[in-house]
Amino acid sequence: DTAVSQTPKYLVTQMGNDKSIKCEQNLGHDTMYWYKQDSKKFLKIMFSYNNKELIINETVPNRFSPKSPDKAHLNLHINSLELGDSAVYFCASSLGQGVNSPLHFGNGTRLTVT
Amino acid sequence: AQKVTQAQTEISVVEKEDVTLDCVYETRDTTYYLFWYKQPPSGELVFLIRRNSFDEQNEISGRYSWNFQKSTSSFNFTITASQVVDSAVYFCALSRHGGATNKLIFGTGTLLAVQP
Repeated sequence: DTAVSQTPKYLVTQMGNDKSIKCEQNLGHDTMYWYKQDSKKFLKIMFSYNNKELIINETVPNRFSPKSPDKAHLNLHINSLELGDSAVYFCASSLGQGVNSPLHFGNGTRLTVT
Repeated sequence: AQKVTQAQTEISVVEKEDVTLDCVYETRDTTYYLFWYKQPPSGELVFLIRRNSFDEQNEISGRYSWNFQKSTSSFNFTITASQVVDSAVYFCALSRHGGATNKLIFGTGTLLAVQP
């Protein structure tokens, strides 16, 4: 039983393409996140949604558009991919927005833009 | 500003040695939470522990122990009798209390290599 699942696990694409990463959680959590891990392993939040409502939007290029059809899903669509978008993208979820709620992460999606 | 510093980029030990991973944080909040996550070579991020700023008791879980010292803004992690399976990148993270957001600020991670 995978708690937070992301698809695909690997994504290789060319510059200029549009791609999506899907995320689903079966933990009954109401808050979901996207984090980006760069080549130096640095993790940074991109977005946070609570009950389908956008809560956090860090300074992310507007080529990145998250979509939450329901509280169990948070997808990430990326337009006009650039080389610098190559990274590992992690989806996460937590129960509520409280900062004492541990985040449960998916296994990550490794995006390579060539 | 909030910041988490993990000064040790890489640590290499031999199996059965004890190892301590350092974490120093900066925050102006009086209430906050600290976390440790493990990222094994397979890539997933695994939650290890959460500690709130009012609880300075040290915690032990099996071979893992955590030393929280508010006076030095440190939240160090010790693995006793390390094993090869402990090889991973370990991240310390800080989160704010209050408001409508839950945003983890991660350190840059410490790569622990346990040699057999």
